[in-house]
Amino acid sequence: AQRVTQPEKLLSVFKGAPVELKCNYSYSGSPELFWYVQYSRQRLQLLLRHISRESIKGFTADLNKGETSFHLKKPFAQEEDSAMYYCALSGRGSYKLIFGSGTRLLVRP
Amino acid sequence: DGGITQSPKYLFRKEGQNVTLSCEQNLNHDAMYWYRQDPGQGLRLIYYSQIVNDFQKGDIAEGYSVSREKKESFPLTVTSAQKNPTAFYLCASSIATGGNEKLFFGSGTQLSVL
Repeated sequence: AQRVTQPEKLLSVFKGAPVELKCNYSYSGSPELFWYVQYSRQRLQLLLRHISRESIKGFTADLNKGETSFHLKKPFAQEEDSAMYYCALSGRGSYKLIFGSGTRLLVRP
Repeated sequence: DGGITQSPKYLFRKEGQNVTLSCEQNLNHDAMYWYRQDPGQGLRLIYYSQIVNDFQKGDIAEGYSVSREKKESFPLTVTSAQKNPTAFYLCASSIATGGNEKLFFGSGTQLSVL
C-alpha cells in the first residue's frame, strides 16, 4: 500500500540551528517524492521535488531508496521557515499524489 | 491574483442536505483534484480529473460526487451520504503532462455541519 509517514507533528528549533523534517514512505514501484509547504495565511505550495535535485530557500532533500526516506534538511533555520510541511508521493506517471500528515516547524528567535 | 479560486470560503450544511463546493482555475491546466484536510491527518484525495469529462475516485470518494464539464471547473458535491463532512476542502490543479507535475492549490473551503 502507498503510504507517507511524517513521525513528528511538531518540530521546534532555535534560529540558526539545523533542521531535519523526517519523511518515510511505503511504495512498491518507483516513487516520485515532493515536499509541500504552507506558510501562515498562504496557500499550500510546492517546495521541492526529488527529480529536480534542487535547493529551495536553503532546503534540500535526498531520496534514500534503501531506507525509503526523503528527509528535508536545512543547515541553519530562519524564523521565516516556520510553517507546515507536507511530504508527498506519487508513482511515476501517476496523477495520484499521496500526502503525509504534516509537520509543523517552529523556529524560535 | 488568478490561479485557482474556491468558493465559498465557509459553508454550512444541514442534516440530509447536499452542498456543492466550487473550484475554478484560469491556468489552462488539464488536471484537477479535490483533497480533504482533517486535523492531524494531512490531505486525503477525494477525486481527481485528468481531462474534461473524465474523473477517477481517490482514496475517500464515498459520499462525494464531482463533474468535469469544462476544463476550468471541477465542482465537488458533498452528499447526504457523507456522514462526517466537517473538514477543510482543498482544490488543486496541474499541467498534467504525464503526472508528477507541480500542484497549484486553492485557498480552501471550510465545511461545517449545523
